[in-house]
Amino acid sequence: QKEVEQNSGPLSVPEGAIASLNCTYSDRGSQSFFWYRQYSGKSPELIMFIYSNGDKEDGRFTAQLNKASQYVSLLIRDSQPSDSATYLCAVRSNAGGTSYGKLTFGQGTILTVHP
Amino acid sequence: EAGVVQSPRYKIIEKKQPVAFWCNPISGHNTLYWYRQNLGQGPELLIRYENEEAVDDSQLPKDRFSAERLKGVDSTLKIQPAELGDSAVYLCASSLVPSGSLGIQYFGAGTRLSVL
Repeated sequence: QKEVEQNSGPLSVPEGAIASLNCTYSDRGSQSFFWYRQYSGKSPELIMFIYSNGDKEDGRFTAQLNKASQYVSLLIRDSQPSDSATYLCAVRSNAGGTSYGKLTFGQGTILTVHP
Repeated sequence: EAGVVQSPRYKIIEKKQPVAFWCNPISGHNTLYWYRQNLGQGPELLIRYENEEAVDDSQLPKDRFSAERLKGVDSTLKIQPAELGDSAVYLCASSLVPSGSLGIQYFGAGTRLSVL
């Protein structure tokens, strides 16, 4: 089992719809969770982080965390063509030793928002 | 404020040749990371530095890869000799010390390596 797994894509949604991106993780002790957006040929950029169970909203983006189910998701409301990118889920280890603070990334989900 | 700076942006070499990548982190960030990102995959950590110390290099292929971070600022990642399978994007990231903060990592633009 991969440490961090994202829903297989690509995901295609019409402009104005809600895009839902999902991520599961295997390390139950993980405490911090990040969503990065990566445009083709560009570096990952942080769009959201969450560390408490529940929802966290920032503009059109909502991150949801359920530690009991080891599940984190990202909702994008009113999707725009400019949201078309690869979305990377990253989980920060809280284990001791050299793994402390290590980010493990999922494989990414490609999102396409079509007009 | 300048972000993480990497150079070169692109590098094409023949197999068995050496190659080096350079990274300058965000000012004040004492934690530096090197990642490798293969096509269609997420970044995978190669090595992490806190100041000058490599605190996690368990994923670094030490037979051909080496890294250094002199004076706890700039860092260089080297591959010698390069193999075809090393073709990837090499990303550098930096953050404040993980403990006591979320350790949010900021990425540079990356170096796209093609080994022919």
